[in-house]
Amino acid sequence: DTGVSQNPRHKITKRGQNVTFRCDPISEHNRLYWYRQTLGQGPEFLTYFQNEAQLEKSRLLSDRFSAERPKGSFSTLEIQRTEQGDSAMYLCASSLPSGGNVLTFGAGSRLTVL
Amino acid sequence: DAKTTQPNSMESNEEEPVHLPCNHSTISGTDYIHWYRQLPSQGPEYVIHGLTSNVNNRMASLAIAEDRKSSTLILHRATLRDAAVYYCILRDFTYSGGGADGLTFGKGTHLIIQP
Repeated sequence: DTGVSQNPRHKITKRGQNVTFRCDPISEHNRLYWYRQTLGQGPEFLTYFQNEAQLEKSRLLSDRFSAERPKGSFSTLEIQRTEQGDSAMYLCASSLPSGGNVLTFGAGSRLTVL
Repeated sequence: DAKTTQPNSMESNEEEPVHLPCNHSTISGTDYIHWYRQLPSQGPEYVIHGLTSNVNNRMASLAIAEDRKSSTLILHRATLRDAAVYYCILRDFTYSGGGADGLTFGKGTHLIIQP
């Protein structure tokens, strides 16, 4: 297992376009998290899944943001009608379900909206 | 999620010990103290975590105050590769679903290592 994988690593798009990021977690981890990180700030929690169930989505930034994890394995984060303010690093992490267990993060997907 | 307070930045010399402080005065009895670090252009990386007792691993040591309202991450012999942003985070181990189980990150401490 090579850890948490995120694709693409970099995405440049024009304002108004839709973008989708994919996250492949560590195979035995059933919890998966999405974060956003802007320059100079710590990661900001967006949403998370336990298996295929999305247990928290109130922190998604707007209704333009949505996430799925259809089979409880990989997940996608979609941003519709992108805005320049969406430019950020989008991080995925996974963990085992126990509250004391640690998160393993991917390297992130950097989005630039022109 | 309970909040933590860390200095914005710290500077240390290579091969010297580094003590990174964190205050968490509103910690609850079920909160673990986690430390992560983020190297430039990478995702955060787990460093260490603990509940009440001091903890050691190959990367660092975690010293937890007796009242648990503060903790200190100790890098015993800093190298240039330890230059990163260090985050101190609280995570409730009884969490079982609903709400934001995700770790709440602050701005962390930017550790600068001088050669």
